Order: sequence, then structure tokens, then C-alpha cells
Amino acid sequence: DIVLTQSPGTLSLSPGERATLSCRASQSVTNNYFAWFQQKPGQTPRLLIYAASSRATGIPDRFSGSGSGTDFSLTISRLEPEDSAMYYCQQQGNSQWTFGQGTKVEIK
Amino acid sequence: QVHLVESGGGVVQPGGSLRLSCAASGFTFNSVGMHWVRQAPGKGLEWVTFIRFDGTTKYYADSVKGRFTISRDDSKNTVYLQMNSLRTEDTAVYYCAKNWLGYYMDVWGKGTTVTVSS
Repeated sequence: DIVLTQSPGTLSLSPGERATLSCRASQSVTNNYFAWFQQKPGQTPRLLIYAASSRATGIPDRFSGSGSGTDFSLTISRLEPEDSAMYYCQQQGNSQWTFGQGTKVEIK
Repeated sequence: QVHLVESGGGVVQPGGSLRLSCAASGFTFNSVGMHWVRQAPGKGLEWVTFIRFDGTTKYYADSVKGRFTISRDDSKNTVYLQMNSLRTEDTAVYYCAKNWLGYYMDVWGKGTTVTVSS
């Protein structure tokens, strides 16, 4: 199974700053079947990015995804207080779905 | 509006069984695959199982294979998760999620809590 490793574990930034989250896969991700989710405390995960770089419905354009193969990233161009959350990457391949362990984004 | 509502969670002893349900509304249920995903207390997300729109294909995480069974009843717009031989490490919030474009999870329920404890 493909293992996803996210870095850093925690990101602490100020409003207006740029956040870059990374996710590395142990093997190449098939056809870029790759997504990013946001989860705020006590809430359900929300799909942000699918197919590595496409924004889901209603997601602000300050969120962007990039990458292919084994290296992917999520960028939040101008952090807002409501972006404080856990962020998970996820891939699909070989009839399995796997998630990364998460990156916590804190807003100072 | 697309809506998923899980139920059936509770407290069960190790070795016990539980059946979770996920009632769907707001979309054509019989044309969509469905997932169960869980989250242990204070931990990350773990995919559990998937069932294809027609019920012919099911996939499981290694951690639950042989113990959990996913099924669906399209007449009730409901997907089920039968959990047998439960272990303490199965303690988690269990979410159902709608499959989208074949590979993604675009809508999630609010979850139901399963606690396995003696």
C-alpha cells in the first residue's frame, strides 16, 4: 500500500502569510488520484483539492494544489484566521485509499 | 441538498459486534459508490472500506479485512457497516462519505462514535 508522509507536522504563521504543506508518497500515485482535505476541530473533513490541482466546489482561490508522481503540495496564498485546521492528503491506488497523518496549521 | 446521516454507534465489549448505518439523501444513491472512513480519538483519518455503486465490488483496509463487511440497500438509500470481532483499536468516529468521480470523497456525514471497551 502507498504510504503518505506529510510535513511539517505543525505550521504556525500569521494572517496574510503564505503556507506551503507537503505530502510525499512512498510510490508514484496513479493518474494523480490525489486530494487534500481540511478538518476543523469538531467538524467533518471538507474536500479542498482533487486530481492534485483542481479546487472543489466553493473552495476559495487562495487554496491551490500542485505536484505529481510522489511529491505534492498544498499552498494557502494568504492565510486567514478561519484557515486554522488540520490538513490531510489522500490518494487512491490499487483498490485502496490512504491518508497522510496530517499537518496542523495554526494562525498566530 | 446532499445529506449523509450515520447511526448505530455505541459502546461494545472487545469481541463484540455492531452494525452502522448511513442514510443518504439529495442525490441518486444507486449510481454512487460509498466509503466508510474512521478517526480514532485525537488521531488522523483512516479509510476503512468502499462499495461500488452496484454493490458488485467491495474493498477493505487490511486492518479490518475479514472482520468488517460493507453492504448497501438501494431501496432504503442506505449503506451499512457490519463490524464483528471488534478490538479496542477500532474505537473511533466512523464517517460515511460519498464517492465522486470514482476516486474522491466529496460529501461526508457527521459521523457516529464507536467505543470498544470492557
